[in-house]
Amino acid sequence: DTEVTQTPKHLVMGMTNKKSLKCEQHMGHRAMYWYKQKAKKPPELMFVYSYEKLSINESVPSRFSPECPNSSLLNLHLHALQPEDSALYLCASSQEAAGTPGRPTFGEGSWLTVV
Amino acid sequence: RKEVEQDPGPFNVPEGATVAFNCTYSNSASQSFFWYRQDCRKEPKLLMSVYSSGNEDGRFTAQLNRASQYISLLIRDSKLSDSATYLCVVNMGYGGATNKLIFGTGTLLAVQP
Repeated sequence: DTEVTQTPKHLVMGMTNKKSLKCEQHMGHRAMYWYKQKAKKPPELMFVYSYEKLSINESVPSRFSPECPNSSLLNLHLHALQPEDSALYLCASSQEAAGTPGRPTFGEGSWLTVV
Repeated sequence: RKEVEQDPGPFNVPEGATVAFNCTYSNSASQSFFWYRQDCRKEPKLLMSVYSSGNEDGRFTAQLNRASQYISLLIRDSKLSDSATYLCVVNMGYGGATNKLIFGTGTLLAVQP
């Protein structure tokens, strides 16, 4: 069973659309992460939420807007994306928000195509 | 210099071979280290955490060298199913205030029959 659930698995959107990616975990983890992964590249950190507050933004363009409505949910709102934003978006969570994070667990990812 | 670096490979090895990967990191204060494997078009999956004294899990052994700021992964008796990309992950968070988990560049392993 996947302990971090991401929806949708696949998303195709136009450059003028607004869409959202969702991530959910019920392990009581206090840190949640968004990563972006392009083909043949490692995942790149985008955002980190610690105790439901944004703690790291890796200079991500404002067309990506994260949101953490509660301790189990993490959203990534998408607006006015570019074709080069097409990638696999991975959500992860870890038990602790600082110090020793525990083992990060990844969701299966959302494949995004911007047309 | 990238924060976390690996030899990208590919490493092409025959079944049964022993193969070793290294990963260097830039933050000497990092405390947490992990090895993940990622299959094509799948999410990264945890292989093992890396502890200060080194640790072993079956055919896999992980080592940490703080002085030289690198971690290693040794795979013994390689199987075809070990073919994947191996990624190290280092917590680059500063001051313990938050976690900043950064992936290495990844090393591709291809085990040949």
